[in-house]
Amino acid sequence: DAKTTQPPSMDCAEGRAANLPCNHSTISGNEYVYWYRQIHSQGPQYIIHGLKNNETNEMASLIITEDRKSSTLILPHATLRDTAVYYCIVRELNAGNMLTFGGGTRLMVKP
Amino acid sequence: DVKVTQSSRYLVKRTGEKVFLECVQDMDHENMFWYRQDPGLGLRLIYFSYDVKMKEKGDIPEGYSVSREKKERFSLILESASTNQTSMYLCASRISYITPQHFGDGTRLSIL
Repeated sequence: DAKTTQPPSMDCAEGRAANLPCNHSTISGNEYVYWYRQIHSQGPQYIIHGLKNNETNEMASLIITEDRKSSTLILPHATLRDTAVYYCIVRELNAGNMLTFGGGTRLMVKP
Repeated sequence: DVKVTQSSRYLVKRTGEKVFLECVQDMDHENMFWYRQDPGLGLRLIYFSYDVKMKEKGDIPEGYSVSREKKERFSLILESASTNQTSMYLCASRISYITPQHFGDGTRLSIL
């Protein structure tokens, strides 16, 4: 899996958009970008993944730069329940079985 | 909605006991996984199963076994619990090898 770099922590005001960056400068052509989050004392939750096009689902949007060396996860209207550690993972679709999380970004949504 | 259910959120057992952790998914997923998560060590794969009655060892299978008699259920067994198996245990499943894994809420197991 390609290495990713995320800021260790970020704050966001409730109701505002949360933009979480991830650098993955060594990403290869067939590696996808995945985002998970983990709320305290719960299991990780899958959010979204993409290859090169921007993706959107009911939870978030994923913006991948044209050179694919970085991406941004956007939570359009953050709520207090979005406070969690967010993990960016880069891996091939059929990379094998184990999922590996790096340090992640601890997002604190404040009232 | 994807639903992976682990039988207990919190469990306390004694050293030497045989411990069963159960995981059920209702989405007809082929693959199921057991991880443990410890501070500073991240997620570590214990076992996974790619189909009924099929299993493979992950990175840290010692002291554990698994059972998958039905597609929807994947059980993790601690044969003789030890204090170093105190951890958060996470079950995950996915449709197939090219789809994302979805996790349960975890079981926080304490071995005294």
